[in-house]
Amino acid sequence: NAGVTQTPKFQVLKTGQSMTLQCAQDMNHEYMSWYRQDPGMGLRLIHYSVGAGITDQGEVPNGYNVSRSTTEDFPLRLLSAAPSQTSVYFCASSKDGAIYGYTFGSGTRLTVV
Amino acid sequence: EDKVVQSPLSLVVHEGDTVTLNCSYEVTNFRSLLWYKQEKKAPTFLFMLTSSGIEKKSGRLSSILDKKELSSILNITATQTGDSAIYLCAVALLGGSQGNLIFGKGTKLSVKP
Repeated sequence: NAGVTQTPKFQVLKTGQSMTLQCAQDMNHEYMSWYRQDPGMGLRLIHYSVGAGITDQGEVPNGYNVSRSTTEDFPLRLLSAAPSQTSVYFCASSKDGAIYGYTFGSGTRLTVV
Repeated sequence: EDKVVQSPLSLVVHEGDTVTLNCSYEVTNFRSLLWYKQEKKAPTFLFMLTSSGIEKKSGRLSSILDKKELSSILNITATQTGDSAIYLCAVALLGGSQGNLIFGKGTKLSVKP
């Protein structure tokens, strides 16, 4: 049972490049979310999904896109990377939102130069 | 605006001390409050609280919710160096944002030998 798998673990991008952060879970969880974590800022919600085909914006959605074509996968796309998007990104999934708690992936450390 | 505030932001103690971490919240449509421990990578789930006054306990860690005061505390007794981590408090909401978490900035706990 792999839980929540994020790839890559580390990435360096040049300003203006685009890329996709991958997230997959094998627990048949309906809820999936993307957070970014910056020093002194805690975790901030970027986008979330309550099931396949349903996504919505969180607190800091600008510059990011998501889609949820299957229950298992929830990729995060950076459209045109900016230095302000340098951060650690966490994907999380849950069976029923907050009732069961969220399981987090191990994170992707992204640096935009 | 929904918010979660943790205090203190950082804390240094010696092994064997008892610590109390605080979390207060101002949110619409409260569903539950969760505590996570974050060491070097992903946050790991500690407790989920929904009812006032009922203590949750796991070994040397315990937590309680006070819905009147809109707050929660996390206690760690007989601290060990392995308790050094960032402790995150998060609140889950009902309704349109159901299943998503609003995080505080965390309390960084350092336990000295």
